[in-house]
Amino acid sequence: GQQLNQSPQSMFIQEGEDVSMNCTSSSIFNTWLWYKQDPGEGPVLLIALYKAGELTSNGRLTAQFGITRKDSFLNISASIPSDVGIYFCAGRLTSGTYKYIFGTGTRLKVLA
Amino acid sequence: DAGVIQSPRHEVTEMGQEVTLRCKPISGHNSLFWYRQTMMRGLELLIYFNNNVPIDDSGMPEDRFSAKMPNASFSTLKIQPSEPRDSAVYFCASSQAAGYTFGSGTRLTVV
Repeated sequence: GQQLNQSPQSMFIQEGEDVSMNCTSSSIFNTWLWYKQDPGEGPVLLIALYKAGELTSNGRLTAQFGITRKDSFLNISASIPSDVGIYFCAGRLTSGTYKYIFGTGTRLKVLA
Repeated sequence: DAGVIQSPRHEVTEMGQEVTLRCKPISGHNSLFWYRQTMMRGLELLIYFNNNVPIDDSGMPEDRFSAKMPNASFSTLKIQPSEPRDSAVYFCASSQAAGYTFGSGTRLTVV
């Protein structure tokens, strides 16, 4: 099935560092979502973006809906050990449907 | 709110056996999704329902897979007969608006 390109695939960072990851596509999306998945659990919604250029924060997390509507970015500031997990972007192509395409995931490890 | 409830959490079965995965969506959510997650293919949408009606089943891999939603509070995903390549984590998710709420998943191992 179709997937979004997400980068980097994995990251190892020191506690306290900032993290950036992004999601790109050749298609135009009208909604972007960012999820985090902990081991043995389902993904949990972090941030939802609905308009091109939109910048939304959730605590230490900030996400942006790219101007071209073909990409999105997620930043985590001052990382802590519990930020460890897999982060997924998801995009919706068509209004009026709840069908989302998921990214390939970014695996984040935080070293204390 | 108990969230999306899936059962069983783990299932180990022999090749050729029938497997049924169950899902109870969040009350009031009118869309339900079945996803499969593997290391190789990531999260793949298998099928989704809106108001209990299957809307898009283009992700169902083959005729061995079937899904039903007899009412707003219950859905099943059945694999018959199962094969080792079906081993994966199967997630159910429900939604009322943008953004899904996922269940904890069923880890299926077919030996």
